[in-house]
Amino acid sequence: AQSVTQPDIHITVSEGASLELRCNYSYGATPYLFWYVQSPGQGLQLLLKYFSGDTLVQGIKGFEAEFKRSQSSFNLRKPSVHWSDAAEYFCAVGVPGRRALTFGSGTRLQVQP
Amino acid sequence: NAGVMQNPRHLVRRRGQEARLRCSPMKGHSHVYWYRQLPEEGLKFMVYLQKENIIDESGMPKERFSAEFPKEGPSILRIQQVVRGDSAAYFCASSPPEAQETQYFGPGTRLLVL
Repeated sequence: AQSVTQPDIHITVSEGASLELRCNYSYGATPYLFWYVQSPGQGLQLLLKYFSGDTLVQGIKGFEAEFKRSQSSFNLRKPSVHWSDAAEYFCAVGVPGRRALTFGSGTRLQVQP
Repeated sequence: NAGVMQNPRHLVRRRGQEARLRCSPMKGHSHVYWYRQLPEEGLKFMVYLQKENIIDESGMPKERFSAEFPKEGPSILRIQQVVRGDSAAYFCASSPPEAQETQYFGPGTRLLVL
């Protein structure tokens, strides 16, 4: 069965600084990969997804993620963080033929002024 | 196009009562998924339904939990005889026929069992 690890439970960055959130997965082939963001008390919003093709994926709100097969990683990046980016970020994995997504435990992002 | 709608947003039940959570998928979406999020954890898959069919219920607890997606009306997640451990946020997601791998989430129902 597939699994997802988000090694960082909590990250604090200064506004305007760059951001990288880590995501590692375990699966025998290339899965479908997603990043979602959840603001407090809200649902999940899809930031970006990777199915195949170009390994650098652009998403909404200035986020991007890079799929690295050799490292089984799909890290999320943003060059300059805004205070409104403070939220919880979830990496998720899907596999062909099965609709259930497997989520990581999340990384809570705090943005300092 | 309205997003995935869930109601109620908050639900308080006493132990032993029943909880009914509703989910209306996005317009044109025929696939519905339910996930549970316990405090300080990620989402855990519960069940995947299409109209009038349960496709995958591998994440559903064996007892007290059931789900349906009737021909007409919203999908319902039903929890009978709730216990304190059922307190969680329950999220519904839907996906369109042409992009079934991508799920769009609703705002969730926060269930509190007293």
